[in-house]
Amino acid sequence: EVQLVESGGGLVQPGRSLKLSCAASGFTFSDYYMAWVRQAPTKGLEWVASISYDGGSTYYRDSVKGRFTISRDNAKSSLYLQMDSLRSEDTATYYCTRRQNWFAYWGQGTLVTVSS
Amino acid sequence: DVVMTQTPVSMSVSLGGQVSISCRSSQSLVHNNGNTYLSWYIQKPSQSPQLLIYKVSNRFSGISDRFSGSGSGTDFTLKISRVEPDDLGVYYCGQGTQYPYTFGAGTKLELK
Repeated sequence: EVQLVESGGGLVQPGRSLKLSCAASGFTFSDYYMAWVRQAPTKGLEWVASISYDGGSTYYRDSVKGRFTISRDNAKSSLYLQMDSLRSEDTATYYCTRRQNWFAYWGQGTLVTVSS
Repeated sequence: DVVMTQTPVSMSVSLGGQVSISCRSSQSLVHNNGNTYLSWYIQKPSQSPQLLIYKVSNRFSGISDRFSGSGSGTDFTLKISRVEPDDLGVYYCGQGTQYPYTFGAGTKLELK
C-alpha cells in the first residue's frame, strides 16, 4: 500500500524558514517523480514544486522560485521542501504527492501557518 | 500559465441522479508526446484529494465505473452516474501537460 506521511509544519513568523519532510513507503521511491501541492485555507489546489527521479531536475512555481527548495533522499525514501523567506501567502496545507503528469497518491498534509 | 475553468461552481444532486462537470483549459492540453494530461480529483470533507481520472478518461485503481471522463483539446467533462452519498465533496480538474501544473477552482457537489 502506497503511503506518504508529511511532517514539519507549524506556526512560523514571516521571513523565517521551515523544512517539510515526507516519508514514502509501499513503492519504489526512486522510480517516480515527486511533488508538493498546497492548499490555502478554504481555497483550491496549487502545485508548488516537482523533482525528478534522481533529483537532477527540479521545477517550481514562480511565486516560490528562489525561496523554496525541493529535494529527495532515495536511500531514505524521503522528499523534502525547504521553505525560506516565508510570507503570509504561503500559509497552506502542504501535500506530498507522487507525480506522473497527474497526482496519483497524496499524503494527509501538513499545515504551515505564516504569521507574526 | 494554463488557466483551468470549471463549471458550475456548485451543484445540488439527488441520490441516484447524474451530474456533469465541465472543465475548459486556456490552451490545448495535448502534450508533445501526443498524450493529454487532464485529470480529475475529489476532495471529501476534511480529507486529502484523491485521484479519480487521469489522461482524460482513464479511471484510477479502485474507482467505480460510475465515474467517466471525456473530452479533448481544451474541453473536458466528468460525469457521475447513480450518485451516492460518498460522492459528495469538491471536484477539481487539473492539467499536467505543461509547467506550472494548474487546477480548476473546484466544483462543490451537494445533496439536494
